[in-house]
Amino acid sequence: QVQLMQSGTEVKKPGSSVKVSCKSSGDSFTSYAIAWVRQAPGQGLEWMGGIIPIFHTANYAQKFQGRLTIAADGSTTTAFMELSSLRSDDTAVYYCARSHLRLGHYDTFTGLDYWGQGTLVTVSS
Amino acid sequence: QSVLTQTPSASGTPGQRVTISCSGSSSNIGINTVNWYQQLPGTAPKLLIFGNDERPSGVPDRFSGSKSGTSASLAISGLQSEDEADYYCAAWDDSLDAWVFGGGTKLTVL
Repeated sequence: QVQLMQSGTEVKKPGSSVKVSCKSSGDSFTSYAIAWVRQAPGQGLEWMGGIIPIFHTANYAQKFQGRLTIAADGSTTTAFMELSSLRSDDTAVYYCARSHLRLGHYDTFTGLDYWGQGTLVTVSS
Repeated sequence: QSVLTQTPSASGTPGQRVTISCSGSSSNIGINTVNWYQQLPGTAPKLLIFGNDERPSGVPDRFSGSKSGTSASLAISGLQSEDEADYYCAAWDDSLDAWVFGGGTKLTVL
């Protein structure tokens, strides 16, 4: 059974950084991509970026370029999302989600089929 | 401001059929398939429909999806109280090189 298990709740000061982990189990980690999606309180879903572990290639939504780093460790089947220069509007639940691969890219047909439980990040002084 | 446009709310009574719409453009829905996600209160999103009209294993056939041009729809027939949730459409956007989502539709079962 596929599971994505995320790290716990974080409370951070403005200007600091947060690192959230997402451990994959139940299937081959390197056969998929991992996407990161966030949801601010009462708001919709927002794709932040993702990584294809087998190629170690990450891509980022333009909005987060320069302050978002996504990485993956195949030996521990864990993906990481680090967001820096935190602001109050970064307060959100952060989700990791799995995407199949097609021709070395996200399989847009199959969508994001498994999701982590979410990690609440609160940015407050 | 979401790239895909959804009406913010929808409602129906038990047993009814409701439809949720999603509008995009030529760089997303127009050339890529649409996925739908259901988010029950306080939980992570769940894939409900992929590839415009395919259901993952375990999703009841009361849920169906369709796409035409740059728009897509999710239909729920035989509405049940447990269908009360937020529903999001999504597609890959070739211009943005990113997944894009609709703003979500809150479905209320009256």
